[in-house]
Amino acid sequence: DAGVIQSPRHEVTEMGQEVTLRCKPISGHNSLFWYRQTMMRGLELLIYFNNNVPIDDSGMPEDRFSAKMPNASFSTLKIQPSEPRDSAVYFCASSLGGGDGYTFGSGTRLTVV
Amino acid sequence: GQQLNQSPQSMFIQEGEDVSMNCTSSSIFNTWLWYKQDPGEGPVLLIALYKAGELTSNGRLTAQFGITRKDSFLNISASIPSDVGIYFCAGRSGGGADGLTFGKGTHLIIQP
Repeated sequence: DAGVIQSPRHEVTEMGQEVTLRCKPISGHNSLFWYRQTMMRGLELLIYFNNNVPIDDSGMPEDRFSAKMPNASFSTLKIQPSEPRDSAVYFCASSLGGGDGYTFGSGTRLTVV
Repeated sequence: GQQLNQSPQSMFIQEGEDVSMNCTSSSIFNTWLWYKQDPGEGPVLLIALYKAGELTSNGRLTAQFGITRKDSFLNISASIPSDVGIYFCAGRSGGGADGLTFGKGTHLIIQP
């Protein structure tokens, strides 16, 4: 199994630009989660999907953030327009539910200058 | 929202020593999990706990789900250099597909 695949691994962009982060969950997993990690705030849940449907997006910081899951094998997290304070590592994770914990991807390190 | 207080924030220990870290919650959880994160990677699940009072081991790691359901601890016995990393506790109060709340992590540094 290839695990959870995230792309790109690193992204450097200028303030105001649109950023799209991508995630391919583990095949067969029906829950997908987007987290943001910073030194100050640790790991924060942004949004999660069950069976491709967004369940809880209360962690999405602002309207500049949006996430989609058009099918069971792909999800995107978009920031438009990006700001320097969005700089963080963004993780995608997937699970089969049932309390077995998640499998995390390797993350996308985003730097907005 | 839910908050997890994880301590200590960091630990500097000698190789071979035992390590203990814990998490407390402001609310009741029905699942506790412990993860380890290596530099440049995502967290990896170490141990999952599902029942109050449960004590579970995974090699040199032992974790317990507190009786009050508001705390958990992780012990590492006879630490080795590859134990270096950030350890996170995580909890869930809802169903199995709900999001996890993570602690801020414990940075473990081992001096040979």
